[in-house]
Amino acid sequence: AQRVTQPEKLLSVFKGAPVELKCNYSYSGSPELFWYVQYSRQRLQLLLRHISRESIKGFTADLNKGETSFHLKKPFAQEEDSAMYYCALEYRYKFYFGSGTKLNVKP
Amino acid sequence: DTEVTQTPKHLVMGMTNKKSLKCEQHMGHRAMYWYKQKAKKPPELMFVYSYEKLSINESVPSRFSPECPNSSLLNLHLHALQPEDSALYLCASSLDRPNTEAFFGQGTRLTVV
Repeated sequence: AQRVTQPEKLLSVFKGAPVELKCNYSYSGSPELFWYVQYSRQRLQLLLRHISRESIKGFTADLNKGETSFHLKKPFAQEEDSAMYYCALEYRYKFYFGSGTKLNVKP
Repeated sequence: DTEVTQTPKHLVMGMTNKKSLKCEQHMGHRAMYWYKQKAKKPPELMFVYSYEKLSINESVPSRFSPECPNSSLLNLHLHALQPEDSALYLCASSLDRPNTEAFFGQGTRLTVV
């Protein structure tokens, strides 16, 4: 069965500090993985996807098939990064979401 | 237009009421979804429509009845709901191909009294 695990419910860092939001998945095939973000009172929106290997708002995520991980990283956190972050795995049009990590960036 | 629009934003209904949630997109997406999100929980898939046909039903109770009248519209008909059905109901759409992002609506905040 497909499963996505985000072990941290809350992550608090100071502005300018590095941040890493962890995501592990279980899936037997080649996964399609995404990070979604939900800012306060806004809709859920795509942050980045593994296949594009891009950096969005300074965030990157690398798929590590050996460790079955897709951690989200940013070298210098900003206050506006405070939001709820969901790791998601897509399989046959189903999106399986992790439980989410709330990132709080303190001034 | 790159938005998924849901109406109403908020809905309060009694357990004997019949109501409908509406979702609209004009991005040419042929896959549309209903998700349910309880407070502080991730979205949970309810239904998937592909080319206006129901392709996935995640064992949702029959008091929730989806409908896709055309490629731009998705409805969720509600009848005889329970208080535990109170949640944020999210609509999403995507291209009908693998590894494509889903665009989410703002959701309808449903309260069943």
